Amino acid sequence: NAGVTQTPKFQVLKTGQSMTLQCAQDMNHNSMYWYRQDPGMGLRLIYYSASEGTTDKGEVPNGYNVSRLNKREFSLRLESAAPSQTSVYFCASRGTPDSGYTFGSGTRLTVV
Amino acid sequence: AQKITQTQPGMFVQEKEAVTLDCTYDTSDQSYGLFWYKQPSSGEMIFLIYQGSYDEQNATEGRYSLNFQKARKSANLVISASQLGDSAMYFCAMRELSGGYNKLIFGAGTRLAVHP
Repeated sequence: NAGVTQTPKFQVLKTGQSMTLQCAQDMNHNSMYWYRQDPGMGLRLIYYSASEGTTDKGEVPNGYNVSRLNKREFSLRLESAAPSQTSVYFCASRGTPDSGYTFGSGTRLTVV
Repeated sequence: AQKITQTQPGMFVQEKEAVTLDCTYDTSDQSYGLFWYKQPSSGEMIFLIYQGSYDEQNATEGRYSLNFQKARKSANLVISASQLGDSAMYFCAMRELSGGYNKLIFGAGTRLAVHP
């Protein structure tokens, strides 16, 4: 089925470790997004990419980097994980401005 | 300042009854969009309904309708004939143009419990 695929679904990291969350969409969407969801706070935008080759900071970018590898793929990297980055991470993509954003199934990350 | 406000942390409704989930928003843009998403306990985000700021009629999608009151900056979700499967978190979100790009901003959500 067409959509947004995120890997991994679950991950446990030790403080200071690094990892990359992968996201790929097959809907030929230009815009892609990374969000984090913490209890009681809804989703907050980390980074976004309006088109291939461009990225920009969202609301909570500190501690993260992103790469828009091509039109399909948008990865999120934690260089030195901290317990405050324990969260559920969602990748999303969007076609036209009025279309719904399609979300991946999420990555549950725990940093100990 | 909060851009999307959902004042109801939790709501209860009897099966087959209608329920309204509140959402107010704050923007100075003339062109914007309002979305509602459902997040069941399994965690995925499911798109429910969309209302554009220039749409004169309220959006409807099956049992979901969006009560859009532009002057009051409110975009309430109405679920008719509630079902047990409607129990979930519901998020209101606004698409706004910021820094030249469209971004989606979420409220904190409302947890809906449907009782038999």
